[in-house]
Amino acid sequence: SAVISQKPSRDICQRGTSLTIQCQVDSQVTMMFWYRQQPGQSLTLIATANQGSEATYESGFVIDKFPISRPNLTFSTLTVSNMSPEDSSIYLCSVGPTGRDPYGYTFGSGTRLTVV
Amino acid sequence: QKEVEQNSGPLSVPEGAIASLNCTYSDRGSQSFFWYRQYSGKSPELIMSIYSNGDKEDGRFTAQLNKASQYVSLLIRDSQPSDSATYLCAVNVRGNQFYFGTGTSLTVIP
Repeated sequence: SAVISQKPSRDICQRGTSLTIQCQVDSQVTMMFWYRQQPGQSLTLIATANQGSEATYESGFVIDKFPISRPNLTFSTLTVSNMSPEDSSIYLCSVGPTGRDPYGYTFGSGTRLTVV
Repeated sequence: QKEVEQNSGPLSVPEGAIASLNCTYSDRGSQSFFWYRQYSGKSPELIMSIYSNGDKEDGRFTAQLNKASQYVSLLIRDSQPSDSATYLCAVNVRGNQFYFGTGTSLTVIP
């Protein structure tokens, strides 16, 4: 499966500030996905990032709050803007099937965000 | 009704026993089903995928799918303490849209 490097692994941020999370993949992938996993909860898809087009956001998530960049086929960023304590969560990037693993979806190591 | 439902557990089994994890889903059009393992503080790791009715075996793991009953399960044979984790069921509803269950916490007791 693809190898994904995600950073930072964790951060503690002040409310009202923004944090940008980076995700680097070791192979070219068409789609990258950003998920949120709140404490004790399952994964919720935030948006799908396609190279060369705007990200597609799921219900309840908006571009102003979670702007996403996808400058090429191996990299994406998610920014959590104007943070509040409710944004404290684990954020995960994921990639879809690759030529090496046609059915697998792989996750990055996650970013544990705490907003104080 | 949630798209994917799992018993949150915790489920405890003795070492060497069979652990049975269950998942139901609501969308009859779902085509792909996955089981992920997530250790505490780690990201989910894909362990099994299944696409057609019946059983699929991979080592100690067996995934079972029954589309008529909208039910997918994961059996872990000869459970080991290292299997202790949260197991997430994921269903591919359409395109690349996945829904995840809330996960079942499994503890294998030595």
